[in-house]
Amino acid sequence: GESVGLHLPTLSVQEGDNSIINCAYSNSASDYFIWYKQESGKGPQFIIDIRSNMDKRQGQRVTVLLNKTVKHLSLQIAATQPGDSAVYFCAENSPPGGNTGKLIFGQGTTLQVKP
Amino acid sequence: DADVTQTPRNRITKTGKRIMLECSQTKGHDRMYWYRQDPGLGLRLIYYSFDVKDINKGEISDGYSVSRQAQAKFSLSLESAIPNQTALYFCATSKAGSWKETQYFGPGTRLLVL
Repeated sequence: GESVGLHLPTLSVQEGDNSIINCAYSNSASDYFIWYKQESGKGPQFIIDIRSNMDKRQGQRVTVLLNKTVKHLSLQIAATQPGDSAVYFCAENSPPGGNTGKLIFGQGTTLQVKP
Repeated sequence: DADVTQTPRNRITKTGKRIMLECSQTKGHDRMYWYRQDPGLGLRLIYYSFDVKDINKGEISDGYSVSRQAQAKFSLSLESAIPNQTALYFCATSKAGSWKETQYFGPGTRLLVL
């Protein structure tokens, strides 16, 4: 069945270092993926997305990499800042290509930034 | 995101009570969703609506009902609240007609059922 999972529940990094948050998905037909950031007391906030016909997409200080061969998605945050401390979720569309609007979310990885 | 608002932000109720959580959006999106978030379980879909006349069950709809009063309003009801419905509830919206079904979330309602 479909599942979206993050590899680590908590990631601790030093301020200024780069962060890499990983996500595995099980449905090889998935064609759209999103990363969300959720700060304490707030709703998930869209960070960046990627379609399956791409391997890499860059935003401001963030990069999403998609490896379809191993069904792996990662979010890279450059020069991590204290404001990046949050829970990060990956999500995939379900069912793929159906434009149903439904998303399946992973369980989330908590990013802790040490000063 | 102020474009999606939820009321109330916090609610304490007792077992057996009926309560309603409300969601409004000014994004002009036609699709709206209700999720529940529990620690360690991520977000789970309760109900979703693609337009005013279209309501669909999500993966955990038992014990919940919804009403789409208008394109901009989508409410979630707990007919008879029970303690295991204590959770954080989020409303989300998205725009149909695009391969990018990005969903935009409200600030959430924290519900405690005693």
